[in-house]
Amino acid sequence: QVQLQESGPGLVKPSETLSLTCTVSGGSISSYYWTWIRQPPGKGLEWIGYIHYSGSTNSNPSLKSRVTTSIDTSKNQFSLKLSSVTAADTAVYYCSSGGLWYFDLWGRGTLVTVSS
Amino acid sequence: EIVMTQSPATLSVSPGERATLSCRASQSVSNSLAWYQQKPGQAPRLLIYGAYTRATGIPARFSGSGSGTEFTLTISSLQSEDFAVYYCQQYNNWPPLTFGGGTKVEIK
Repeated sequence: QVQLQESGPGLVKPSETLSLTCTVSGGSISSYYWTWIRQPPGKGLEWIGYIHYSGSTNSNPSLKSRVTTSIDTSKNQFSLKLSSVTAADTAVYYCSSGGLWYFDLWGRGTLVTVSS
Repeated sequence: EIVMTQSPATLSVSPGERATLSCRASQSVSNSLAWYQQKPGQAPRLLIYGAYTRATGIPARFSGSGSGTEFTLTISSLQSEDFAVYYCQQYNNWPPLTFGGGTKVEIK
């Protein structure tokens, strides 16, 4: 079955750019919508945005100016870049899929801490 | 942005009892509402979409109801594996997709 795995640095300095990659295994990335969701420690879930294999994207207006998503169909991967990070961006970042609007496929999540 | 409010924040229930969780939207989301279960250290798991349709593999003891602004997730007879945090999420008006703050179901 399709599985997702996030990867990237666990520690990012303030004002720098957070970069994460999600690797899709067991299936093709050339279908569905691929989404990023985050969860600050001890808090709720926040939708960051999605990318479709066609390249179309959308993101949370509260983060839009800082979010870049991309997809590499040759590697079966999609990526997230979040610029100008602060401590408020410290969170577990999940990649997910299953649909555009709700998500039945999730990675295990990766904790990213923003600290100097 | 549609704000989703869940209540109560914590629900204490004995195994075998019924649990009723509420989710309210700041404006109508029709039936574009999903529920997730999250256990400590794990990713959320989709339980319900379309307000009342169970996702694949979800036991029948989980049921969803409601439309518009008021929704309910009912767990008919709590099993030990059901103690977790539950989130609702609307997808009627977006971006952004928005989640509620969660209800923690704990053992009484």
